[in-house]
Amino acid sequence: DGGITQSPKYLFRKEGQNVTLSCEQNLNHDAMYWYRQDPGQGLRLIYYSQIVNDFQKGDIAEGYSVSREKKESFPLTVTSAQKNPTAFYLCASSPQGGVHGEQFFGPGTRLTVL
Amino acid sequence: AQSVTQLGSHVSVSEGALVLLRCNYSSSVPPYLFWYVQYPNQGLQLLLKYTTGATLVKGINGFEAEFKKSETSFHLTKPSAHMSDAAEYFCASRGDSSYKLIFGSGTRLLVRP
Repeated sequence: DGGITQSPKYLFRKEGQNVTLSCEQNLNHDAMYWYRQDPGQGLRLIYYSQIVNDFQKGDIAEGYSVSREKKESFPLTVTSAQKNPTAFYLCASSPQGGVHGEQFFGPGTRLTVL
Repeated sequence: AQSVTQLGSHVSVSEGALVLLRCNYSSSVPPYLFWYVQYPNQGLQLLLKYTTGATLVKGINGFEAEFKKSETSFHLTKPSAHMSDAAEYFCASRGDSSYKLIFGSGTRLLVRP
């Protein structure tokens, strides 16, 4: 089945540590996205990538970094510079030429900083 | 700037009652509009979308939405609520590029037995 996988489902981190969240898709989509979700605030865009080896900052990129070395993969690193990293992180993808903007979402990773 | 507004962070209905979740958008161009559903600790699943053509859009699980340009609205309805409909619902609009979705803040639907 085609889809998006995110791992791990739950992640715990000590303050001051970097942590990397995995996102893989087998939908053959060109574009991939990372969102952060906090209660009552909807989804906020962190980074997105339209093609391999290229990515753009979203609305809340500070304290995060990404890479896009393969079409299927778009890992997100939450760095120690992110002041309040506890949140639910969602990865999404969309096809090239998808003019309507529809995005397909993974199951999410819940990050808790201890 | 474009925006999506969902009226009511929480909506509570009885099982079997009508579900109405409100969404208004602001856009200077014809919008592409979406409703997504999110169950606890899961990702978002597309319920339905409006692109062009028929203004009444039918989706999965018995939901439908009507695009009303004059009211800049895209409200989500279901004639009869089931307990399994309890979830959070997000309205979204395509932004100024096909790579940007603008989300509302979400409405949590509670279904009372």
